[in-house]
Amino acid sequence: GAGVSQSPRYKVAKRGQDVALRCDPISGHVSLFWYQQALGQGPEFLTYFQNEAQLDKSGLPSDRFFAERPEGSVSTLKIQRTQQEDSAVYLCASSSLRGQAETQYFGPGTRLLVL
Amino acid sequence: AQSVTQPDIHITVSEGASLELRCNYSYGATPYLFWYVQSPGQGLQLLLKYFSGDTLVQGIKGFEAEFKRSQSSFNLRKPSVHWSDAAEYFCAVGSQGNLIFGKGTKLSVKP
Repeated sequence: GAGVSQSPRYKVAKRGQDVALRCDPISGHVSLFWYQQALGQGPEFLTYFQNEAQLDKSGLPSDRFFAERPEGSVSTLKIQRTQQEDSAVYLCASSSLRGQAETQYFGPGTRLLVL
Repeated sequence: AQSVTQPDIHITVSEGASLELRCNYSYGATPYLFWYVQSPGQGLQLLLKYFSGDTLVQGIKGFEAEFKRSQSSFNLRKPSVHWSDAAEYFCAVGSQGNLIFGKGTKLSVKP
């Protein structure tokens, strides 16, 4: 079956612009995660959804970052007034449940470059 | 605080040689441990995971990892590396449903 898909794959933004990154999880997966991966680093947790409810947003670096999943399927990560330090790969992952041992399935990521 | 350390940033091995990638974790309770591989332009793919039972875990693509509680380690091994194994490898610990990743080890394979 289809895996996790993300769009766009690449995004170039001028500093100060708003961007929206889309994630299509595996069909039927309850849990959805967003991670940020800076160059040369491992992914870092941003936020988590269980169905449409955003249960954990402790990793969002500032109030310029906003995520939603209104119908419990597709999710959008929005970054307002982008800054150069926002340049990174944004990874989306989904799993059937949220649990310690649950496998998270990752999409290919969106590479954001802020000039 | 929970953390994962991968001490080797970059490793080069010859094709056919054995491989061991190191991972050390810091976690207060019983850890749930994962190894993922990331190829250029692709998402992270799970190689294997450990959460209980046998401390030697078998994964896909001929990889295995051994959990050693006394050393807080979860090293990844492969007896014979193939050129297609060249990629970046991430160790992670599960923490309240999220994953905490190490910084990764880039593997290069020389013919």
